[in-house]
Amino acid sequence: RKEVEQDPGPFNVPEGATVAFNCTYSNSASQSFFWYRQDCRKEPKLLMSVYSSGNEDGRFTAQLNRASQYISLLIRDSKLSDSATYLCVVNAGANNLFFGTGTRLTVIP
Amino acid sequence: DVKVTQSSRYLVKRTGEKVFLECVQDMDHENMFWYRQDPGLGLRLIYFSYDVKMKEKGDIPEGYSVSREKKERFSLILESASTNQTSMYLCASSFIGTEANSPLHFGNGTRLTVT
Repeated sequence: RKEVEQDPGPFNVPEGATVAFNCTYSNSASQSFFWYRQDCRKEPKLLMSVYSSGNEDGRFTAQLNRASQYISLLIRDSKLSDSATYLCVVNAGANNLFFGTGTRLTVIP
Repeated sequence: DVKVTQSSRYLVKRTGEKVFLECVQDMDHENMFWYRQDPGLGLRLIYFSYDVKMKEKGDIPEGYSVSREKKERFSLILESASTNQTSMYLCASSFIGTEANSPLHFGNGTRLTVT
């Protein structure tokens, strides 16, 4: 079983739609969680950290469910510029970082 | 803003050549990492370093070595490049702090082609 699993997609959604991605992790001792955005042929860029109580940044909401061992990313009112691959990253401590393979999102006009 | 700079964006090398990939960060981060990213495989850790002159093997260190003589610089060396090392190489850094505040910051990547 992989340490971190993501649905690779692609998710094709119309502009203005709400879309959600999940990312499951296997190590129950994982300590911190992040969502990154990666554009084609570019480096991953930090989108947001995921806090236990959940957190929101504009149209983006991140949630952590420790009991079921997953994190989620919700994007409201999708824009064309949201088209990218979204990576989840799980830190199990002591520099044990695990990456999902990414979920590809395409927002269609 | 954290800046992680990789020396080359695109690189073409021949099989058997020795290749140096350089990475510099300007935020005094203790941790530095080298990953490669391949389609369908995601990011895989090659080596990381948590201090000057310290290094730890990642998941796929074979065929690579690293050097960290100064805190801000972490070099990846391909001793004898092979075609299966054609990949996107990403350097990243982070500081040692509370885990929630220690995200990785990536350089803009080096796309290496070995012919």
